[in-house]
Amino acid sequence: AQKITQTQPGMFVQEKEAVTLDCTYDTSDPSYGLFWYKQPSSGEMIFLIYQGSYDQQNATEGRYSLNFQKARKSANLVISASQLGDSAMYFCAMREKGYGGATNKLIFGTGTLLAVQP
Amino acid sequence: NAGVTQTPKFQVLKTGQSMTLQCAQDMNHNSMYWYRQDPGMGLRLIYYSASEGTTDKGEVPNGYNVSRLNKREFSLRLESAAPSQTSVYFCASRGTDMGEQYFGPGTRLTVT
Repeated sequence: AQKITQTQPGMFVQEKEAVTLDCTYDTSDPSYGLFWYKQPSSGEMIFLIYQGSYDQQNATEGRYSLNFQKARKSANLVISASQLGDSAMYFCAMREKGYGGATNKLIFGTGTLLAVQP
Repeated sequence: NAGVTQTPKFQVLKTGQSMTLQCAQDMNHNSMYWYRQDPGMGLRLIYYSASEGTTDKGEVPNGYNVSRLNKREFSLRLESAAPSQTSVYFCASRGTDMGEQYFGPGTRLTVT
């Protein structure tokens, strides 16, 4: 069964430092997609970054990058130069592929709460 | 361009009452989804609609029904609310071929 695991319930980081949020996944499908979402205290879910299973390079979006290690089935999110506004819950998710093709359903991990300290 | 909108933002129900959560998107997306978020459990899929006229069960469909009214609107109905349905409910629609989903602001539902 497809599964996403985030083993860090909470993390602290100093402002301006980099931080890595861990995500491992389990799937037997060769084609899949991995996503990271940010949920600030206001509650909305914000799409950050995407990595496809066949992508040769790690995805980057501004200060966000995804450290994709396919053999280890990990898709860690790296936030460079942390800012106070980065304090939020972060969710890793995987696009599930069903019979006959992609169902486009997302499976979410349980999240990591990041606190950026001044 | 409002993206995904949900109403209401907050609701308190008594056990056994019914209600419908409304969701609309203006991005011309085909697929729409309903999730619930509970502490420590991430988001779990209740129902989804791959296209107008179709709906399918997700991981936790019991106690819920959905209607894909048209391409823009996807509603979630609780016929007889139970305290176990106290949660935050999110509606989402699917974007490009990457499969990223765009979420509404959520509805915080309390069932007493």
